[in-house]
Amino acid sequence: DAMVIQNPRYQVTQFGKPVTLSCSQTLNHNVMYWYQQKSSQAPKLLFHYYDKDFNNEADTPDNFQSRRPNTSFCFLDIRSPGLGDAAMYLCATSGLSGTSDTQYFGPGTRLTVL
Amino acid sequence: DQQVKQNSPSLSVQEGRISILNCDYTNSMFDYFLWYKKYPAEGPTFLISISSIKDKNEDGRFTVFLNKSAKHLSLHIVPSQPGDSAVYFCAASALRSNYQLIWGAGTKLIIKP
Repeated sequence: DAMVIQNPRYQVTQFGKPVTLSCSQTLNHNVMYWYQQKSSQAPKLLFHYYDKDFNNEADTPDNFQSRRPNTSFCFLDIRSPGLGDAAMYLCATSGLSGTSDTQYFGPGTRLTVL
Repeated sequence: DQQVKQNSPSLSVQEGRISILNCDYTNSMFDYFLWYKKYPAEGPTFLISISSIKDKNEDGRFTVFLNKSAKHLSLHIVPSQPGDSAVYFCAASALRSNYQLIWGAGTKLIIKP
């Protein structure tokens, strides 16, 4: 089945220790997104790639970086995690073609910062 | 400024009855609306969507109604089942903003047996 896969599902890191979260998709979608979600709040968009074009949200901290080496994979790097970065990180994809489209989400990675 | 509002943080419905979740928006440029369902510790799951050229879209037990003049949409679940207990997010997007999603705050639906 075509899907969005996130690894790991649970990640524990120490305060200030860099961490990388990964996302892969078999949907062949050209847009990939990274969201942060805390508790049951609405997901907050961090950035997205339209193909290789990177788009950063204005309020995304510099501590968060992303890489998309190819269509299928996208990575979220947190350079120096703080306690406030503990959250669920969601990857999503869409096959944007100039018309309305739907974002499909992975299961998320729950990040704990000790 | 919250462009998409879900004013009910939670809703409790008896199993077998209809669940109605509401969503209001302020931006008249929105032309595509989606509902997502989220279980704890999982990513949101796409449920159903509607384009602004329609006023109703149905998929099995789920129906979404759009009232553009009132800038209001609703999700109807009939009949409600215990597995429907989750947080439901309304989201909206617009062509001019490259279809980035603007999310509501979510409504927690509890189906009582």
